[in-house]
Amino acid sequence: GDSVTQMEGPVTLSEEAFLTINCTYTATGYPSLFWYVQYPGEGLQLLLKATKADDKGSNKGFEATYRKETTSFHLEKGSVQVSDSAVYFCALSARIGAQKLVFGQGTRLTINP
Amino acid sequence: EAGVAQSPRYKIIEKRQSVAFWCNPISGHATLYWYQQILGQGPKLLIQFQNNGVVDDSQLPKDRFSAERLKGVDSTLKIQPAKLEDSAVYLCASSPGIAAKNIQYFGAGTRLSVL
Repeated sequence: GDSVTQMEGPVTLSEEAFLTINCTYTATGYPSLFWYVQYPGEGLQLLLKATKADDKGSNKGFEATYRKETTSFHLEKGSVQVSDSAVYFCALSARIGAQKLVFGQGTRLTINP
Repeated sequence: EAGVAQSPRYKIIEKRQSVAFWCNPISGHATLYWYQQILGQGPKLLIQFQNNGVVDDSQLPKDRFSAERLKGVDSTLKIQPAKLEDSAVYLCASSPGIAAKNIQYFGAGTRLSVL
């Protein structure tokens, strides 16, 4: 079945550092890909998405590119802030059938000032 | 626009007791989802409704879990009887439809502790 694998955390960085969180997927066909973020005490929020190969999703300085050849959707940010501290989830949604989200296990990110 | 509302936020029960969670989706959203998020893991779909019909309940433990969405709006998820391994955050989400491009909007969740 469909699955998502994220790099294991937790990840701790200093403010203004470069961030990469790796995400790879296994799916039949060409799913839509998402990054969700969960801030402390809050629900999941969509951060960005890409619906076809080579699409780049971007939001709040974060970017991720849909790479079909490597089945990857890595999250990047050039300069992180303390406010980016949260748990980040990579997810996919199949194009056919019931379009449920299949999530990775999440990566906890802590940014130190 | 109001978001997805869930209640209660927290619930503590003893094993073998029953518990119910409530969800009010974003107005006009036809699709409603219940996910279970165990500590340290990503959310896992339990059940998906399209209006008041079930689209996918393949991962719902039907011997103890039940869910309904009367009139295609609010939904309740019930566990009876609860087990220790049911301790988790239960997330409700809604979306305008079932297309893959549709964004799912999540509530803050109900944190269940089974003692």
